[in-house]
Parts: sequence; C-alpha cells; structure tokens
Amino acid sequence: GAVVSQHPSWVICKSGTSVKIECRSLDFQATTMFWYRQFPKQSLMLMATSNEGSKATYEQGVEKDKFLINHASLTLSTLTVTSAHPEDSSFYICSARGQAAQETQYFGPGTRLLVL
Amino acid sequence: GQNIDQPTEMTATEGAIVQINCTYQTSGFNGLFWYQQHAGEAPTFLSYNVLDGLEEKGRFSSFLSRSKGYSYLLLKELQMKDSASYLCAVTDSNYQLIWGAGTKLIIKP
Repeated sequence: GAVVSQHPSWVICKSGTSVKIECRSLDFQATTMFWYRQFPKQSLMLMATSNEGSKATYEQGVEKDKFLINHASLTLSTLTVTSAHPEDSSFYICSARGQAAQETQYFGPGTRLLVL
Repeated sequence: GQNIDQPTEMTATEGAIVQINCTYQTSGFNGLFWYQQHAGEAPTFLSYNVLDGLEEKGRFSSFLSRSKGYSYLLLKELQMKDSASYLCAVTDSNYQLIWGAGTKLIIKP
C-alpha cells in the first residue's frame, strides 16, 4: 500500500517552455501533497504544500507564479514549471499524506528536469 | 528556531552494525521519521516513532527519547545495498515536517 507515482520521470525541454509534472496517490486518498526540489548532493528542499481543493502554501523564496500547483482531487496534484530556465533544472519529488496530519509522507519516484 | 542534527557522513563495514544519531530541537513534537534515500532516487519510508523506546523492523531499528530530543537508527548485518543517505525528520506542533540534512552512509567490503 501507500504507492505514489510521478509522471514523467524524465523531461528535457528548451528554455522558456512550460513543463507539467503529475503526482498521483494510487491506493490511498492524499489530503495533502508536498512538492520538493533537490539539487545534486544537496538536501531536500520543500517548495510548497497543497491541500485538496485549496490554494497551495509556498515556502519562502519559492515563486508561486513560476511554480503553479494544482491539487484538484484527493489522488492528483500537478506542478507546472512555467517559462523554465536552465537554473530550474533539478530533481522534483512529490510526496503524499493521508487525512491525519501525523501520518507518514510517501514519496513519488521523482522527476528529473533538464532545461537546455 | 527549529533544528535537526545528524552526522554528515559515516563509514561502516559490510556485515557490521552502525548507529546513526539524530538530535532535534523543535517547537513541539508529533513524531519522528527515518527515510532512506539512494543516490539519484526519491526517499523511501523506513520507520516512525512517536513514543519512547525501540521499534524493530528486520535489520533496522529506530529508537526515540523525547526527553532528550534524541533518536537513532540502528542498521545490523550491513549489506552493500545499505549505502545511501538516511534522513531524520520531525513533525512539530503544527504538523510541519522538519528535515535533517541527512547522513551519507558508505559501506565498505
């Protein structure tokens, strides 16, 4: 149980284009989903927290107009990187948590984004 | 401020035992998690402690002392595949998950 998928696993795009990443909880209802970014050999960095049906809460320093998050259902959240630039190249990982706030976060396999 | 400390890197020998410590200072406490992250992959859940004591799960055990703000992850019968980063994370009073920077564990034959 507690499986989270992400799609795509790899994406290469040209600078200036937008990229959408999907995160799905396959066997449980995810009231809350989290989006992280991780640069090589660095720690996980939380970008934003999204609750189903509500606007996402962004961490300090994360541009909400650049990283659009939608959590329209209890099993799907999307992150859209708008007008991507080479400095946005990173490993983007989502996690999902059930209804209780103390529940475990389960991670998706991650999406590697390379912006040329 | 909120802080989680764990060693940056540890080295151990295949077949041996290793203990990875984690100390925390957070505003409130609602549980402590350990995750394993192999290079280039996403973290996977290992254990959850909310009460004091030892939780054993196969070769891995996790210990918690809330009064000391301290936890450790114990790995027995180390295998080469255990080479990974081990992340300690604490849920605070607002149910925010505060992450440690992770401990890179290197296993040598």
